[in-house]
Amino acid sequence: AQSVAQPEDQVNVAEGNPLTVKCTYSVSGNPYLFWYVQYPNRGLQFLLKYITGDNLVKGSYGFEAEFNKSQTSFHLKKPSALVSDSALYFCAVRALGGSSNTGKLIFGQGTTLQVKP
Amino acid sequence: EAGVTQSPTHLIKTRGQQATLRCSPISGHTSVYWYQQALGLGLQFLLWYDEGEERNRGNFPPRFSGRQFPNYSSELNVNALELEDSALYLCASRMTGSHNEQFFGPGTRLTVL
Repeated sequence: AQSVAQPEDQVNVAEGNPLTVKCTYSVSGNPYLFWYVQYPNRGLQFLLKYITGDNLVKGSYGFEAEFNKSQTSFHLKKPSALVSDSALYFCAVRALGGSSNTGKLIFGQGTTLQVKP
Repeated sequence: EAGVTQSPTHLIKTRGQQATLRCSPISGHTSVYWYQQALGLGLQFLLWYDEGEERNRGNFPPRFSGRQFPNYSSELNVNALELEDSALYLCASRMTGSHNEQFFGPGTRLTVL
C-alpha cells in the first residue's frame, strides 16, 4: 500500500535557525514527491517537487528538500527560518506506473511548523 | 494568471440535505481533483476528473459524486448529508503531463448541522 508518513505533529524552531520537516514514503514504482504549505483557513500552496535528477530540490520561499531513495525520505529544509514560515506543511506522493497511475496525491498527516521570534 | 477558484466559500446545510460545490481550474488545466480535509482525518482523495471523465475515486460512499463540464470546471455533489461530512473540500487542477503538480483552490468549508 502506498503511504506517506510525517513523524512529527509539530516542529518548533527559533527564527534564524535552520529547520527540517521530515517525510518518509512507501510506494510501488517511481515516486513523484511534493511539499505543500497551508496557512489557516486557506488552500494548499505548492512549494516544490522531486521528479527525477538531482536529489536536492529547491523551491519557493527559500525551501529545499532532499530526496533519499535508500531511506525513502524527502525531508523539507530551510537554512534560516522566518516567523512567517509558521504554517501546516504536507508531504505528498504521486506514484506512477501500471495500476498505480491514479493521478491522485497521497498526503502525510501534516506537520505544524512554529517559528518563534 | 488566475488560480483555481471554488464556490461557495462557506456552506451550511442540515443533515439529509444535498450540497453542491463548484470548482474552476486554472486555464489550460484539464484535470480536476477533489479532496476532503476533515478534522483529525487529514487530506483524503475523493475524485479525479480528466477530459470530462471520472478517472478515479477514493474510498467514499456513492453519495459523493461529481462531474466535469466541457470547459473543465467541476462540481462535487454530496447527497444525504451526514454530520461527519463537515470538512474543508479542496479542489485542485493540473495540466496534462505526469510531471506536473496540482494547484489547489482556497476550498469550500461545508458545515452540516
